[in-house]
Amino acid sequence: DAGITQSPRHKVTETGTPVTLRCHQTENHRYMYWYRQDPGHGLRLIHYSYGVKDTDKGEVSDGYSVSRSKTEDFLLTLESATSSQTSVYFCAISPGNEKLFFGSGTQLSVL
Amino acid sequence: DQQVKQNSPSLSVQEGRISILNCDYTNSMFDYFLWYKKYPAEGPTFLISISSIKDKNEDGRFTVFLNKSAKHLSLHIVPSQPGDSAVYFCSNNNDMRFGAGTRLTVKP
Repeated sequence: DAGITQSPRHKVTETGTPVTLRCHQTENHRYMYWYRQDPGHGLRLIHYSYGVKDTDKGEVSDGYSVSRSKTEDFLLTLESATSSQTSVYFCAISPGNEKLFFGSGTQLSVL
Repeated sequence: DQQVKQNSPSLSVQEGRISILNCDYTNSMFDYFLWYKKYPAEGPTFLISISSIKDKNEDGRFTVFLNKSAKHLSLHIVPSQPGDSAVYFCSNNNDMRFGAGTRLTVKP
């Protein structure tokens, strides 16, 4: 998986609790992305980062925040999880504005 | 507002025949278009791309065609194999957004 590790792989949580998903890369790529995959919607971009401490919103950023304090780590936080955030979350990396390398995904269930 | 759209949620073809997956886009300023393939329980993987200055790119059994006047691209797989059964996404390298995907099933 091109040196990308997502953790945890599976998580079940309750509505209203905070959740943090972690993406770790060993490729030293500049760009990192968080997507969610849902039936009928494909892959939707949540947030992305173009360098340490440089992040920006994607198309479905409400309810999510991100942080990148080191090149290798990109964290996605759900401040107060809702059932609509039940999804499969994918992290992706890229050295530049080109093809993406994806992690294996995190299955998140919010009950 | 989706910048890339895949209007066919699914496609079923017979092994050995051609599979054609379609994608439409709205922004004529995109530089590159990319296709990704996704198997269940795995992350998507890059399949093939095409520059906006070209109209065709071929890689083995996979060919992508770009029709700029129609803002349309298509992925051709020939001959199709059962192992090609997956979800295929089109994307662009400018805003990194994806279409909704097309699930391809290749029947033996």
